Amino acid sequence: QVQLVESGGGVVQPGRSLRLSCAASGFTFSSYTMHWVRQAPGKGLEWVAVTSSDGSSKHYADSVKGRFTISRDNSKNTLYVQMNSLRGEDTAVYYCARGQLPNDAIDIWGQGTMVTVSS
Amino acid sequence: DIQMTQSPSTLSASVGDRVTITCRASQSISSWLAWYQQKPGKAPKFLIYKASSLESGVPSRFSGSGSGTEFTLTISSLQPDDFATYYCQQYNSYPLTFGGGTKVEIK
Repeated sequence: QVQLVESGGGVVQPGRSLRLSCAASGFTFSSYTMHWVRQAPGKGLEWVAVTSSDGSSKHYADSVKGRFTISRDNSKNTLYVQMNSLRGEDTAVYYCARGQLPNDAIDIWGQGTMVTVSS
Repeated sequence: DIQMTQSPSTLSASVGDRVTITCRASQSISSWLAWYQQKPGKAPKFLIYKASSLESGVPSRFSGSGSGTEFTLTISSLQPDDFATYYCQQYNSYPLTFGGGTKVEIK
């Protein structure tokens, strides 16, 4: 079945870095746009970043631009986000998600991985 | 950036009630709107795309309507499994943006 499984979350100090991974299975990963969406504790959903199916086009939320980098390895069916210069406000559950074809509604979500930025 | 405003933020209703949630966009998004359901501790679930198209497997009591800047999600007869938080999201342009959410509570 279609599945997205995130990993790499944890507790990190402010200013440090963390890389999240998302392993995809059950569909042709290389055909789909992929997203990261986050949710701070008790808050709503916030879109973070997107990469096109071949990784050539990327977009970011202003809140993470210049600090986060989304990437993918289609040979490994894996999505990544490199998060640098982490801040307390980056504390959230991070979801990996798939963009529906042919348009970009988000149709499949992973279970999420928690990132806590704290000293 | 396109701002998405949902109302109400909380809604109290009983099983069997008809429930309507409104979502407004700060500029026209045509029909590029999706709706999601989220339960505590769980990932969001995809319900509706292109404003009114029901995702496969979603019960027919859910429906969406609207275009341009004003949209609605309707649950025709609320069931116990429907008590959750609902989010709208525009995918007309990046950055994608979500509404603030509507929590549907038991009355």
